[in-house]
Order: sequence, then C-alpha cells, then structure tokens
Amino acid sequence: TQLLEQSPQFLSIQEGENLTVYCNSSSVFSSLQWYRQEPGEGPVLLVTVVTGGEVKKLKRLTFQFGDARKDSSLHITAAQPGDTGLYLCAGKGYNFNKFYFGSGTKLNVKP
Amino acid sequence: DVKVTQSSRYLVKRTGEKVFLECVQDMDHENMFWYRQDPGLGLRLIYFSYDVKMKEKGDIPEGYSVSREKKERFSLILESASTNQTSMYLCASSFLNDGVEAFFGQGTRLTVV
Repeated sequence: TQLLEQSPQFLSIQEGENLTVYCNSSSVFSSLQWYRQEPGEGPVLLVTVVTGGEVKKLKRLTFQFGDARKDSSLHITAAQPGDTGLYLCAGKGYNFNKFYFGSGTKLNVKP
Repeated sequence: DVKVTQSSRYLVKRTGEKVFLECVQDMDHENMFWYRQDPGLGLRLIYFSYDVKMKEKGDIPEGYSVSREKKERFSLILESASTNQTSMYLCASSFLNDGVEAFFGQGTRLTVV
C-alpha cells in the first residue's frame, strides 16, 4: 500500500480545460513536493509546500498544502499540451530523511 | 543548478550478471537515494545513504546492495541480475537537515534478458 494516494491515476482532457489532482495520506508530513516527469526522464521538481494551508502559484499551476499537512492538491488552469506528463507528489517525513512518493497521475492534454 | 548525473541512460544485461549503476551529484548533498519505478507501483525506495560509508535499507532492498565511498557518488549494485529487476532506476539527492526537496537524475532504463 502507498503512503500517499494520488487521484485520479489517469486524466485525458482537451486543451483549455481545468483539472485538479489530489494527493492524500493519513500521515503528517514536514513538507510536500510536486514533480513532473516526462517519459524516459527523471522527475523534475515543480514546487515544495511547507506550511499547513500554504498556497503556491506557478503560472497556471496552483498548489495547496492541507491545513493538517496530510494532503495536497495541484490545480491546472487552461491546460496545454505541454502540461502532458506524469505528476508525482512526495512527502518528507519528520523522523527521517526519506521521501514517500505517490503512484502518480498521468495527464494527457489533447490539442 | 543542482546536477545529479547517472552514468547510463540505457543498459541491457544478461541474467546472472553483476550490474553497477553509478550516480554523481555536485551539490554537496549528504543524502542520496536509489529508487526503482515500475508502472502502477510508483517510485519505491531501494536504499539510501545519509553519509559516506553509511547506508540504510529502503522498502525493497532484496537483490541489491549499495556503496558510498565518496560524498558525491552513490552506486547501486545488482549482485546477480534477474529479469524481475528490469525497471527504470532513479537516483536522487538532498541536503540532510534542510533538505525539503529531492533532486533526481535522468534515470537508467535497465533491461535484464
């Protein structure tokens, strides 16, 4: 079982639509990261959220960390084909320097 | 920019071979990690290290070992490769105390035939 559950697993939408990806856990994290991964490449860091309730914006991407630091969401406004990829959330535990990863959301934005 | 470099992008090895995957980072990070990524299973931690010559087992260490002789280099060793070790292998690094992010290499796609 995954410590972090991501939903949905797959998402196929038209260019211009909005979408939200969720990352949920029963555990509390000291920080949470979102990554995007292209096929055949390593994950690339998009953002880190540290404070409960924190909201960060990166152009058309909005990231939120839950108040209880157990969950996060990624919202994309007016999706573009360049947003296509695998989106991964990762939480950093308090007790050790390990990162726990969700299984990912595979996004396909059709032109 | 942080750079994590994995020695090979693609490898094809035979069953029973000893396989070395190398990873180098240039940011003076204390932590280094090896993950494998398989469809539907996400990233699973194999081993990590928080200092030279220190190593800790992750969630799936069986069939693997690691070596950290220098701070910047972390090697993953498959003692006797098997077909179920065919996977994408990802190396990552981070700071020890202030390390809120992990930075990844480009990945090594290993096929064991």
